[in-house]
Amino acid sequence: EIVLTQSPGTLSLSPGERATLSCRASQSVSSSYLAWYQQKPGQAPRLLIYGASSRATGIPDRFSGSGSGTDFTLTISRLEPEDFAVYYCQQYGSSRWTFGQGTKLEIK
Amino acid sequence: QLQLQESGPGLVKPSETLSLTCTVSGGSISSSSYYWGWIRQPPGKGLEWIGSIYYSGSTYYNPSLKSRVTISVDTSKNQFSLKLSSVTAADTAVYYCARQPWDYADFDYWGQGTLVTVSS
Repeated sequence: EIVLTQSPGTLSLSPGERATLSCRASQSVSSSYLAWYQQKPGQAPRLLIYGASSRATGIPDRFSGSGSGTDFTLTISRLEPEDFAVYYCQQYGSSRWTFGQGTKLEIK
Repeated sequence: QLQLQESGPGLVKPSETLSLTCTVSGGSISSSSYYWGWIRQPPGKGLEWIGSIYYSGSTYYNPSLKSRVTISVDTSKNQFSLKLSSVTAADTAVYYCARQPWDYADFDYWGQGTLVTVSS
């Protein structure tokens, strides 16, 4: 089973700053099968990025994804107040789906 | 606009079977382009994939839950269902259903989630 490890666990930044979130896989992941989600309290997760780097419908261009193999990154270029939330990465392989443990992005 | 809605009991007794249904509207569950999945989230914790089903009935389960999970599909009602047997307090969670495009295997549409508490 592929394990996804996200870092940092918590990231404290101010609006307007750049956020860089990491997702590392225990084995190589196909870039087609790496996604990122945003979750706010009391809400279902929202798909941000699929295929490692493609933005989902309606997602602002300040969100970008990159990476390949075992190392993937979600970047938020300039934080807006509504971006403070928990972010999860997710992968698919061998008929199994797994999620990372999440990174909490909080206001500094 | 595609919508998914979970339904089922909010309280289940230990050792009993948890049963939830996801009703899909605004799209067909019989499309060959999608899987349909269940994900859960214990209070204050992260997301855990439970299992997925293809419209044909092919199923894929999380190995850690496989012995207790059954997912089925009813194309005539545009619904798919989850059964989790022999539940314990550790199964208390918000349960989500979601659509999964086969080409990128992400979860692109989610239900709002339903809290299921396991308690006597």
